[in-house]
Amino acid sequence: AQSVTQPDIHITVSEGASLELRCNYSYGATPYLFWYVQSPGQGLQLLLKYFSGDTLVQGIKGFEAEFKRSQSSFNLRKPSVHWSDAAEYFCVIQTGANNLFFGTGTRLTVIP
Amino acid sequence: EAGVAQSPRYKIIEKRQSVAFWCNPISGHATLYWYQQILGQGPKLLIQFQNNGVVDDSQLPKDRFSAERLKGVDSTLKIQPAKLEDSAVYLCASSLEVAGGFYSYEQYFGPGTRLTVT
Repeated sequence: AQSVTQPDIHITVSEGASLELRCNYSYGATPYLFWYVQSPGQGLQLLLKYFSGDTLVQGIKGFEAEFKRSQSSFNLRKPSVHWSDAAEYFCVIQTGANNLFFGTGTRLTVIP
Repeated sequence: EAGVAQSPRYKIIEKRQSVAFWCNPISGHATLYWYQQILGQGPKLLIQFQNNGVVDDSQLPKDRFSAERLKGVDSTLKIQPAKLEDSAVYLCASSLEVAGGFYSYEQYFGPGTRLTVT
């Protein structure tokens, strides 16, 4: 069975500081991995995805994530956080026929 | 391009009542998904349609939940009777299709319907 662990429920960073959100997964095959963002009052939006190839993937809004097979991790990073990045972030694994399995999410607060 | 539309946006009902949610996917998207997102958790897939056929409903509590997509476009999700633990946001998503084999088509999510059962 698959699982996705986001160990940080809530993270607070200062605007302009760097950000790293952690994600670990468990799956019996090579995974397809995603990061989604959910802002208040808005729907879920895809930030980036990893299927194969280069383990460092670039996404929208200046985000990137690195796939590390040996650590079963897919951490999300951003070098300089903006106030508009405050949201809930979900690490997601794809299983079967386009089925997405979500982690529990990390809530990001950005302080001035 | 219009996104995924859902209505209503908010609904408050008493337990044991029934409720229905509506979803209109992006035009041309063959696959439609319903997710349940309980407060503090990630979304959980309830049911997946390919055109008007069900691909996966293994997580749908079929004793009280039902869903249909009769003409392969719009979809409705119904709960009857509702329980307190059904309070959640119900998200609809759509994607171009489900390909044969292991592939991935981006899912586009609607704004959701927030259900409160009292």
